[in-house]
Amino acid sequence: GAGVSQSPSNKVTEKGKDVELRCDPISGHTALYWYRQSLGQGLEFLIYFQGNSAPDKSGLPSDRFSAERTGGSVSTLTIQRTQQEDSAVYLCASSLTFHGGTVTGELFFGEGSRLTVL
Amino acid sequence: SQKIEQNSEALNIQEGKTATLTCNYTNYSPAYLQWYRQDPGRGPVFLLLIRENEKEKRKERLKVTFDTTLKQSLFHITASQPADSATYLCALSTDKLIFGTGTRLQVFP
Repeated sequence: GAGVSQSPSNKVTEKGKDVELRCDPISGHTALYWYRQSLGQGLEFLIYFQGNSAPDKSGLPSDRFSAERTGGSVSTLTIQRTQQEDSAVYLCASSLTFHGGTVTGELFFGEGSRLTVL
Repeated sequence: SQKIEQNSEALNIQEGKTATLTCNYTNYSPAYLQWYRQDPGRGPVFLLLIRENEKEKRKERLKVTFDTTLKQSLFHITASQPADSATYLCALSTDKLIFGTGTRLQVFP
């Protein structure tokens, strides 16, 4: 597609349920990033992928959060046993330019998946 | 500890004036610094990138400076317009982009 696509755009779930959020990056982009943005807050880094590998998982808030990327393309962020504090917008971005372990160019963001945990 | 601070949570200016937004960081040595614009309910959109060996970068009405000694970047919008109203985020490049908390700019007629 022309841009980064995320689904669902909105998800309302009950506390304790599992959710899966999907990100379809721009074709050919090797780097993929997940961020979380709570209401009125900045972007909190969660995890990034280079190809299918996740060199840095340090931002995942707890072991209830996991992410995978297959075929160097689509990524899924899974939150198990959701809690109310997980409510936020989850943003995915992809990038073509990543050299020597540094982001050297712009990130292209999707519109986000808004998660509400009741 | 590592920090990125955008000094003003909100900035209100009159149309036609120059808006200046500040980004300060500590305990980072980024090779690149980026600025993004975010509108309500949307993902951030890239505006400008500046390298550590560049002092200034311009694009149309936008200007960014990067002072690695002061560990500061300034973002200027000249001849501001109501359509420039948005949240502006600075971000440091490491192996990922680390974002500041953003400054909400409101340009009123």
